[in-house]
Amino acid sequence: GAGVSQSPSNKVTEKGKDVELRCDPISGHTALYWYRQSLGQGLEFLIYFQGNSAPDKSGLPSDRFSAERTGGSVSTLTIQRTQQEDSAVYLCASSPRDTLLYGYTFGSGTRLTVV
Amino acid sequence: SQQGEEDPQALSIQEGENATMNCSYKTSINNLQWYRQNSGRGLVHLILIRSNEREKHSGRLRVTLDTSKKSSSLLITASRAADTASYFCATDRSTDSWGKLQFGAGTQVVVTP
Repeated sequence: GAGVSQSPSNKVTEKGKDVELRCDPISGHTALYWYRQSLGQGLEFLIYFQGNSAPDKSGLPSDRFSAERTGGSVSTLTIQRTQQEDSAVYLCASSPRDTLLYGYTFGSGTRLTVV
Repeated sequence: SQQGEEDPQALSIQEGENATMNCSYKTSINNLQWYRQNSGRGLVHLILIRSNEREKHSGRLRVTLDTSKKSSSLLITASRAADTASYFCATDRSTDSWGKLQFGAGTQVVVTP
């Protein structure tokens, strides 16, 4: 596609339920990143995938969070047993091999509300 | 903790005025990038400056980088109402070109007609 696509745009879930957030990066982009942004805050790094290398999971806040990237393309971020503090906008971005030239292209995000 | 810290947190100006915001960071970097965010959704990449560059221009945007002071500034000249947004600096500290970016908390800019 022309841009990074995220789905759903909005998700309201009950505390304790699991949720899956999806990201379709730009075709050919080898790097994919997940960030989250709480209301009025900056972006918090969660995880990133680069080609066939092992993902950098250093930003995942707890073991309730996991992510996978299938076939080097689509990525799914899963949050198990959601808590109210998980409420945030989850942003996905992708970039070509050389981020020095192009920077990131972000999707429009998924706004997650845990009630 | 966040790598980049923007200053001011908020800025209100009138159309036609210039807007300047600053970013300070803590560790050495490969490059520094500026992004704009409208309505709390996806960010848009504005400009990238490498660690060996001191100034860069793109349209009405001017970015400076002072690695000795670990700081950068973004200047928007002749601002327009459409420039109303949050602006974030992000630093790439990786030793290769596939780095993850660390973002600051942002500067919220309001441009009034």
